[in-house]
Order: sequence, then C-alpha cells, then structure tokens
Amino acid sequence: NAGVTQTPKFQVLKTGQSMTLQCAQDMNHEYMSWYRQDPGMGLRLIHYSVGAGITDQGEVPNGYNVSRSTTEDFPLRLLSAAPSQTSVYFCASNPDGGGRTQYFGPGTRLLVL
Amino acid sequence: SQKIEQNSEALNIQEGKTATLTCNYTNYSPAYLQWYRQDPGRGPVFLLLIRENEKEKRKERLKVTFDTTLKQSLFHITASQPADSATYLCALVYNAGNMLTFGGGTRLMVKP
Repeated sequence: NAGVTQTPKFQVLKTGQSMTLQCAQDMNHEYMSWYRQDPGMGLRLIHYSVGAGITDQGEVPNGYNVSRSTTEDFPLRLLSAAPSQTSVYFCASNPDGGGRTQYFGPGTRLLVL
Repeated sequence: SQKIEQNSEALNIQEGKTATLTCNYTNYSPAYLQWYRQDPGRGPVFLLLIRENEKEKRKERLKVTFDTTLKQSLFHITASQPADSATYLCALVYNAGNMLTFGGGTRLMVKP
C-alpha cells in the first residue's frame, strides 16, 4: 500500500490564482481530512469527509473547497489564492472517524506571493 | 473557545534520561487524546491513543497519562535516544469523533 499520497510536493502561486491540491489513499478509509500547519499554530482542520459524497467544515474552512466523489480521493481547491494561505497542507485518512489513528500524507508546501 | 497548550520551547535532555512532555487543554471534554511524532518535512505519525476512562497507556518506551480532572496529559519517553529527537504533538477528539484538534507541538532534542 502506498498509504496517503499528496501532490504536488511544493507549489508557488500568485495571489488570485487557483489550484487543486490532490490527496489519495489506497487503504479504503472512509474518513479523510485536510489540515494546514503554520509555525507555532499546530495543525488546523480545514475540511473533512466521513465518506463519499459527504463533506463538512473544520476550524478554518474559508477560502477552501472540497468534494468527495470517490472513497480514494479528496482534493482541496483554492479558488483565489491569498498570501495568508501560504502554509504546509496535510491530508489524512482513517478507517472510521476522527477519533481513530490518523494516517497523514507527506504534505504539500504552498507559497502564495 | 477550545484550546490546547503544549510547551512551545524546545526540551533538551541527555541521552538515557526520561523526557516528559505536557499537554494542557481547556473547554474540552474529549473522548480521546492522541500523541503524534513529526519529523522535519514530514507528516505526523501516530504514537499512542488514550481514552477518557484510561489513566495510563504504555507502548515500549512510551507512556501517556490522561488526567481529565486536571485537563492534562503527560507523555514520557524513557531511556531517551538521539533518534527520539522530533516534534511531538498532542491532539484531542471532539464533535462525536469527527474532529481532531492539535496542540502546537513541543520539540524534543536528545543529546548524546
């Protein structure tokens, strides 16, 4: 199993550009989530999904959209990037809920100029 | 609002000693508390989970305690090694288990 994979590893955007961060898992996990990590602030939950077709907001959802059309994929979309979205983004999955062990991907480092 | 606090200052200890990291929380009634390890440039890796009705959990050289009265968890690494140097994150589960909130992490440096 590849586990949780994320692409790209690093991206530079200009303010106002859009992009999609990809996340995929091959463990047949129902629960997937997106976090951002900023220095000194820990990981903050952006959006999560408890299964295909079901998504919900986390702590910091503004400026981000998600969808979950398949169990395997959970892309995160930035519609109009802002410098405040410069961060490291982690995708995570687990079999059945946020209270269980989270399996994290390697992260995407995003720089918005 | 809900808040989780970990010591933001790095913890420096000598190899072989026991490292103790603290996680304090307010305005929570968490069902679970988890500890993760994160190495530079990598995603967090799960270490231990402790439930609200458990006082202590052990795994090899790791021990976690959970005091819901004090709203505190302690994470211990015994016989520490330089390879244990990393940032350690605590996380609380709430909202019927669908949301996980992380502390800011504590960096541990184990010197040979």
